[in-house]
Amino acid sequence: DAGVIQSPRHEVTEMGQEVTLRCKPISGHNSLFWYRQTMMRGLELLIYFNNNVPIDDSGMPEDRFSAKMPNASFSTLKIQPSEPRDSAVYFCASTSGLAGSKTQYFGPGTRLLVL
Amino acid sequence: DQQVKQNSPSLSVQEGRISILNCDYTNSMFDYFLWYKKYPAEGPTFLISISSIKDKNEDGRFTVFLNKSAKHLSLHIVPSQPGDSAVYFCASISGGGAQKLVFGQGTRLTINP
Repeated sequence: DAGVIQSPRHEVTEMGQEVTLRCKPISGHNSLFWYRQTMMRGLELLIYFNNNVPIDDSGMPEDRFSAKMPNASFSTLKIQPSEPRDSAVYFCASTSGLAGSKTQYFGPGTRLLVL
Repeated sequence: DQQVKQNSPSLSVQEGRISILNCDYTNSMFDYFLWYKKYPAEGPTFLISISSIKDKNEDGRFTVFLNKSAKHLSLHIVPSQPGDSAVYFCASISGGGAQKLVFGQGTRLTINP
């Protein structure tokens, strides 16, 4: 079975450019999460969706960040405009959402470098 | 405020011995705990979990212990193998329908041959 798929795996861009990260959750999972990992703050939740609906976006750092989930098999995280402090590894995770199932399964991450 | 703390940034253990990784939490609403393992350039991989109604859960070489009164959990790996060298994260989640995982900072485990 395919796990969570993220693209691109690496992204290098210049400050001010728009960056779009993509995620395909595990088939059948109905909850999707975006995390960011930095040296300073570790792994932190940015936003999560249940059944394609954003539930909690309190972790989104500022208005430059936006996330969408147009359907059950695709989500994007967009940064516009990007800044050097956005450099981090961004992970997407999904979970089945079934009662009692709390384990989140992570994708391989997108390593973003903003110059 | 850091609700989940892994106070040891690194740990070095001899192959074949027991590795013990520790995690403390402050939020008494947390009722489910998970350990993830992470290799470089990969995403965290789920390892083992425990519900607050239990104090121990075992899966092969991995055992997680939960001490609710001390708000402390630990992961035991025995025997340790070179492939266990990775960064280990503990994570906690609140009860009910909550889905927000709160992660510790991670402990880098190195297994020496």
